[in-house]
Amino acid sequence: DSGVTQTPKHLITATGQRVTLRCSPRSGDLSVYWYQQSLDQGLQFLIHYYNGEERAKGNILERFSAQQFPDLHSELNLSSLELGDSALYFCASSVSGDLMGEQYFGPGTRLTVT
Amino acid sequence: AQSVTQPDIHITVSEGASLELRCNYSYGATPYLFWYVQSPGQGLQLLLKYFSGDTLVQGIKGFEAEFKRSQSSFNLRKPSVHWSDAAEYFCAVVPLYSGAGSYQLTFGKGTKLSVIP
Repeated sequence: DSGVTQTPKHLITATGQRVTLRCSPRSGDLSVYWYQQSLDQGLQFLIHYYNGEERAKGNILERFSAQQFPDLHSELNLSSLELGDSALYFCASSVSGDLMGEQYFGPGTRLTVT
Repeated sequence: AQSVTQPDIHITVSEGASLELRCNYSYGATPYLFWYVQSPGQGLQLLLKYFSGDTLVQGIKGFEAEFKRSQSSFNLRKPSVHWSDAAEYFCAVVPLYSGAGSYQLTFGKGTKLSVIP
């Protein structure tokens, strides 16, 4: 158990819908990274938040957005869902924003778009 | 283009046999290097990492990896595989000059390891 929690574990929804994925980092961790794992694209970085502020964006679609709240939990919002958005979404937390802070991964949320 | 390559999609070994999983990278400067393991239905767990120094790195669960600059490789090894090692293994990098205090990982496509009892 990494100490990072993600809810829900599974999510099934229809095309065009909007969903919110939640991530609670380990106690004391200020950084939250979001990654997407799909069969065709593999594991890709989406976005990074540090202490409530966006630090970096990766291959994140405009239909996707995220935020980190004052209690440091983070939410990833996915809208106008398409079949291709079906994937496993991971968050990872680390103590700091620097390289020495190991990233601890949550168990993921499996999103299925039908 | 910058990339991380894991040439083997699937490897099968017998329990007790040795293991080597390959990873090659293509970056202008040697990036920071990592190996992660993903067990079925689980998140990713860090096995080991290389930043600098000794080119042979020891990790958890009996794994080690060797950095070879001349070959742009960071191969993962284990002398004797256990059935519980069956999982998917990912090589990952963080470029040397990551900006804005963000150190997102770039992953290879992964190698799935099957272990024959």
